[in-house]
Amino acid sequence: EPEVTQTPSHQVTQMGQEVILRCVPISNHLYFYWYRQILGQKVEFLVSFYNNEISEKSEIFDDQFSVERPDGSNFTLKIRSTKLEDSAMYFCASSDKVSNQPQHFGDGTRLSIL
Amino acid sequence: RKEVEQDPGPFNVPEGATVAFNCTYSNSASQSFFWYRQDCRKEPKLLMSVYSSGNEDGRFTAQLNRASQYISLLIRDSKLSDSATYLCVAANTGNQFYFGTGTSLTVIP
Repeated sequence: EPEVTQTPSHQVTQMGQEVILRCVPISNHLYFYWYRQILGQKVEFLVSFYNNEISEKSEIFDDQFSVERPDGSNFTLKIRSTKLEDSAMYFCASSDKVSNQPQHFGDGTRLSIL
Repeated sequence: RKEVEQDPGPFNVPEGATVAFNCTYSNSASQSFFWYRQDCRKEPKLLMSVYSSGNEDGRFTAQLNRASQYISLLIRDSKLSDSATYLCVAANTGNQFYFGTGTSLTVIP
């Protein structure tokens, strides 16, 4: 069964540094998403992406965050200047349609900010 | 205001038991609904979509009541492998997922 893959599985970064999280969505999917889950809390929507542009973003997704699809397969989340509170599990997801479709999640990147 | 609310549990049930989880959502414009399961420190995995007419997948039955903005999940004949956190999801027209905090289930031998 096709799956969403994410790298790295764990990223440790000093506060203030930039970090890029990578995702390869399922190949025939057109809609891509990033979510985060702070330890012990719920999964929170960050951003959705379609046709090379952001479709929706939450208030968490401020100017420190950006997303990109640099080529035909990768989908990246960049955090420009990391803060301690950015420590969380980051999940990438994809779906083949925008409405009424389940999203398929990658196994996540654990981001630890020191 | 919480978009999606769930009883966090924990629910501890013996093998073979039937257990039901409930969920409410606040946005009446929500378009689609799902149940996901999440094992400890793992990604959410789709359990089932939830349809207005109710739907069943083996031991799992999901119900949706749009008037009451209420979603339920029933698990029959619980197995040890059902132990996980069950996440209720309501999605808007842009397929932005709003997750509940999850309900923890432990099935005891």
